[in-house]
Amino acid sequence: KAGVTQTPRYLIKTRGQQVTLSCSPISGHRSVSWYQQTPGQGLQFLFEYFSETQRNKGNFPGRFSGRQFSNSRSEMNVSTLELGDSALYLCASNPGDGSPLHFGNGTRLTVT
Amino acid sequence: GENVEQHPSTLSVQEGDSAVIKCTYSDSASNYFPWYKQELGKGPQLIIDIRSNVGEKKDQRIAVTLNKTAKHFSLHITETQPEDSAVYFCAATYSGGGADGLTFGKGTHLIIQP
Repeated sequence: KAGVTQTPRYLIKTRGQQVTLSCSPISGHRSVSWYQQTPGQGLQFLFEYFSETQRNKGNFPGRFSGRQFSNSRSEMNVSTLELGDSALYLCASNPGDGSPLHFGNGTRLTVT
Repeated sequence: GENVEQHPSTLSVQEGDSAVIKCTYSDSASNYFPWYKQELGKGPQLIIDIRSNVGEKKDQRIAVTLNKTAKHFSLHITETQPEDSAVYFCAATYSGGGADGLTFGKGTHLIIQP
Protein backbone atom coordinates (compact mmCIF):
# COMPACT_ATOMS: atom_id res chain seq x y z
CA LYS A 1 0.00 0.00 0.00
CA ALA A 2 1.43 3.38 -0.97
CA GLY A 3 2.04 5.83 1.85
CA VAL A 4 1.03 9.46 2.12
CA THR A 5 2.40 11.39 -0.85
CA GLN A 6 3.14 15.10 -0.75
CA THR A 7 4.08 17.27 -3.70
CA PRO A 8 6.22 19.12 -4.36
CA ARG A 9 9.05 18.18 -1.97
CA TYR A 10 10.63 21.63 -2.15
CA LEU A 11 9.32 25.10 -2.94
CA ILE A 12 10.90 28.53 -2.97
CA LYS A 13 8.59 31.52 -3.00
CA THR A 14 8.85 35.26 -2.52
CA ARG A 15 7.14 37.29 0.19
CA GLY A 16 3.63 38.28 -0.83
CA GLN A 17 3.12 35.35 -3.18
CA GLN A 18 0.73 32.51 -2.57
CA VAL A 19 1.41 28.78 -2.66
CA THR A 20 -0.55 25.54 -2.95
CA LEU A 21 0.66 22.24 -1.53
CA SER A 22 -0.80 18.87 -2.38
CA CYS A 23 -1.35 15.69 -0.39
CA SER A 24 -2.56 12.26 -1.47
CA PRO A 25 -3.59 10.12 1.52
CA ILE A 26 -3.24 6.39 1.92
CA SER A 27 -5.89 4.59 -0.11
CA GLY A 28 -9.07 4.26 1.94
CA HIS A 29 -8.17 7.03 4.37
CA ARG A 30 -10.84 9.72 4.49
CA SER A 31 -9.21 12.10 6.96
CA VAL A 32 -6.31 14.39 6.05
CA SER A 33 -4.56 16.63 8.57
CA TRP A 34 -1.93 19.30 8.00
CA TYR A 35 0.91 20.29 10.33
CA GLN A 36 3.59 22.98 10.20
CA GLN A 37 7.05 22.09 11.50
CA THR A 38 9.63 24.77 12.36
CA PRO A 39 12.75 24.65 14.56
CA GLY A 40 11.31 27.24 16.91
CA GLN A 41 7.69 26.17 17.27
CA GLY A 42 8.01 22.47 16.56
CA LEU A 43 5.04 20.62 15.08
CA GLN A 44 1.81 22.60 15.07
CA PHE A 45 -1.64 21.48 13.93
CA LEU A 46 -3.14 23.50 11.09
CA PHE A 47 -6.43 21.76 10.23
CA GLU A 48 -8.11 18.47 9.47
CA TYR A 49 -10.47 17.54 6.65
CA PHE A 50 -12.85 14.60 6.61
CA SER A 51 -15.21 13.85 3.73
CA GLU A 52 -14.48 17.22 2.11
CA THR A 53 -15.36 19.17 5.28
CA GLN A 54 -13.02 20.92 7.68
CA ARG A 55 -13.55 19.12 10.96
CA ASN A 56 -10.87 20.66 13.19
CA LYS A 57 -8.76 23.79 13.02
CA GLY A 58 -5.62 24.93 14.79
CA ASN A 59 -4.61 28.43 15.75
CA PHE A 60 -3.32 29.83 12.47
CA PRO A 61 -4.36 33.00 10.59
CA GLY A 62 -6.88 32.94 7.78
CA ARG A 63 -4.05 33.12 5.22
CA PHE A 64 -3.78 29.37 5.75
CA SER A 65 -6.60 27.44 4.14
CA GLY A 66 -7.26 24.03 2.74
CA ARG A 67 -9.70 21.85 0.96
CA GLN A 68 -10.36 18.20 0.31
CA PHE A 69 -11.64 16.60 -2.83
CA SER A 70 -14.09 13.72 -3.26
CA ASN A 71 -11.17 11.28 -3.72
CA SER A 72 -9.80 12.42 -0.30
CA ARG A 73 -6.82 14.21 -1.83
CA SER A 74 -6.18 17.51 -0.10
CA GLU A 75 -4.57 20.82 -0.90
CA MET A 76 -3.31 23.50 1.43
CA ASN A 77 -3.00 27.11 0.38
CA VAL A 78 -1.04 29.92 1.98
CA SER A 79 -1.70 33.44 0.70
CA THR A 80 0.39 36.59 1.10
CA LEU A 81 3.45 34.63 2.18
CA GLU A 82 5.61 35.93 5.02
CA LEU A 83 9.21 35.02 5.87
CA GLY A 84 7.91 33.24 8.98
CA ASP A 85 5.94 30.82 6.84
CA SER A 86 9.17 29.07 5.90
CA ALA A 87 8.71 25.59 7.29
CA LEU A 88 8.23 21.92 6.59
CA TYR A 89 4.54 21.30 5.92
CA LEU A 90 3.42 17.80 6.79
CA CYS A 91 0.29 16.01 5.76
CA ALA A 92 -1.08 13.02 7.65
CA SER A 93 -3.97 10.67 6.97
CA ASN A 94 -6.08 8.09 8.76
CA PRO A 95 -9.41 6.41 8.15
CA GLY A 96 -11.12 9.09 10.24
CA ASP A 97 -12.02 6.86 13.15
CA GLY A 98 -9.39 7.85 15.67
CA SER A 99 -6.76 5.47 14.25
CA PRO A 100 -3.13 6.60 14.34
CA LEU A 101 -1.98 9.24 11.90
CA HIS A 102 0.38 8.34 9.06
CA PHE A 103 2.58 11.21 7.91
CA GLY A 104 4.05 12.01 4.51
CA ASN A 105 7.62 13.26 4.08
CA GLY A 106 6.50 16.86 3.81
CA THR A 107 6.94 19.87 1.55
CA ARG A 108 9.82 22.16 2.46
CA LEU A 109 8.70 25.75 1.81
CA THR A 110 11.25 28.54 1.79
CA VAL A 111 10.04 32.14 1.61
CA THR A 112 12.60 34.75 0.57
CA GLY B 1 -5.67 24.12 25.11
CA GLU B 2 -3.31 21.23 25.60
CA ASN B 3 0.36 21.83 26.39
CA VAL B 4 2.99 19.09 26.15
CA GLU B 5 6.45 19.39 27.70
CA GLN B 6 9.17 16.96 26.60
CA HIS B 7 12.56 16.24 28.21
CA PRO B 8 15.40 16.02 27.53
CA SER B 9 15.91 17.94 24.29
CA THR B 10 19.06 15.91 23.56
CA LEU B 11 19.95 12.46 24.86
CA SER B 12 23.20 10.65 24.16
CA VAL B 13 23.53 7.00 25.18
CA GLN B 14 26.00 4.19 24.50
CA GLU B 15 24.90 1.52 22.07
CA GLY B 16 23.22 -1.27 24.01
CA ASP B 17 22.14 0.96 26.89
CA SER B 18 18.58 2.09 27.57
CA ALA B 19 17.06 5.48 26.74
CA VAL B 20 14.13 7.17 28.48
CA ILE B 21 12.25 10.21 27.22
CA LYS B 22 9.62 11.89 29.40
CA CYS B 23 6.60 14.03 28.61
CA THR B 24 3.99 15.82 30.67
CA TYR B 25 0.63 17.10 29.48
CA SER B 26 -1.75 19.66 30.88
CA ASP B 27 -5.27 18.70 29.74
CA SER B 28 -6.78 15.94 31.85
CA ALA B 29 -9.25 15.24 29.02
CA SER B 30 -6.45 13.96 26.74
CA ASN B 31 -6.82 10.24 26.21
CA TYR B 32 -4.46 9.33 23.36
CA PHE B 33 -0.66 9.53 23.51
CA PRO B 34 1.39 8.55 20.44
CA TRP B 35 5.15 8.60 20.00
CA TYR B 36 6.75 9.42 16.67
CA LYS B 37 10.27 8.95 15.32
CA GLN B 38 11.54 11.37 12.69
CA GLU B 39 14.64 10.68 10.64
CA LEU B 40 16.41 13.32 8.59
CA GLY B 41 14.46 14.28 5.49
CA LYS B 42 11.43 12.21 6.42
CA GLY B 43 8.09 12.74 8.07
CA PRO B 44 7.32 11.48 11.59
CA GLN B 45 6.69 7.75 11.83
CA LEU B 46 4.47 6.29 14.56
CA ILE B 47 6.44 3.86 16.72
CA ILE B 48 4.03 3.21 19.59
CA ASP B 49 0.92 4.72 21.13
CA ILE B 50 -1.10 4.32 24.31
CA ARG B 51 -4.63 5.17 25.31
CA SER B 52 -5.68 6.34 28.73
CA ASN B 53 -7.34 3.09 29.70
CA VAL B 54 -3.96 1.29 30.03
CA GLY B 55 -0.84 2.07 32.02
CA GLU B 56 1.84 0.40 29.92
CA LYS B 57 2.35 -0.96 26.43
CA LYS B 58 5.31 -2.84 24.97
CA ASP B 59 6.47 -3.62 21.46
CA GLN B 60 9.77 -5.50 21.35
CA ARG B 61 12.48 -3.05 22.53
CA ILE B 62 10.07 -0.14 22.93
CA ALA B 63 7.67 0.52 25.80
CA VAL B 64 5.48 3.41 26.86
CA THR B 65 4.14 4.08 30.35
CA LEU B 66 1.32 6.42 31.30
CA ASN B 67 0.51 7.96 34.68
CA LYS B 68 -2.85 9.70 34.34
CA THR B 69 -2.84 11.06 37.87
CA ALA B 70 0.49 12.82 37.40
CA LYS B 71 -0.28 13.54 33.73
CA HIS B 72 2.97 12.21 32.41
CA PHE B 73 4.04 9.50 30.02
CA SER B 74 7.42 8.09 29.04
CA LEU B 75 9.11 6.24 26.19
CA HIS B 76 11.60 3.52 27.05
CA ILE B 77 13.97 2.05 24.47
CA THR B 78 16.10 -0.89 25.58
CA GLU B 79 19.23 -2.34 23.94
CA THR B 80 19.65 0.74 21.79
CA GLN B 81 21.06 0.35 18.29
CA PRO B 82 22.59 2.86 15.84
CA GLU B 83 19.36 2.93 13.81
CA ASP B 84 17.55 4.28 16.87
CA SER B 85 19.33 7.62 16.34
CA ALA B 86 16.62 10.12 15.36
CA VAL B 87 14.36 12.82 16.78
CA TYR B 88 11.50 11.49 18.90
CA PHE B 89 8.26 13.35 19.52
CA CYS B 90 5.57 12.69 22.06
CA ALA B 91 2.04 13.97 21.50
CA ALA B 92 -1.31 14.13 23.24
CA THR B 93 -4.90 14.69 22.22
CA TYR B 94 -8.47 13.96 23.10
CA SER B 95 -9.50 11.41 20.50
CA GLY B 96 -13.25 11.40 20.13
CA GLY B 97 -13.18 9.30 16.99
CA GLY B 98 -11.75 11.77 14.53
CA ALA B 99 -8.16 12.82 13.77
CA ASP B 100 -8.29 15.51 16.43
CA GLY B 101 -5.28 17.81 16.35
CA LEU B 102 -2.27 16.36 18.08
CA THR B 103 -0.28 18.61 20.40
CA PHE B 104 3.38 17.68 20.11
CA GLY B 105 6.30 18.04 22.46
CA LYS B 106 9.37 19.90 21.14
CA GLY B 107 11.23 16.69 20.41
CA THR B 108 14.24 14.77 21.75
CA HIS B 109 17.31 14.24 19.62
CA LEU B 110 18.49 10.74 20.53
CA ILE B 111 22.12 10.01 19.71
CA ILE B 112 23.41 6.45 19.96
CA GLN B 113 27.18 6.40 20.54
CA PRO B 114 28.99 3.35 19.08
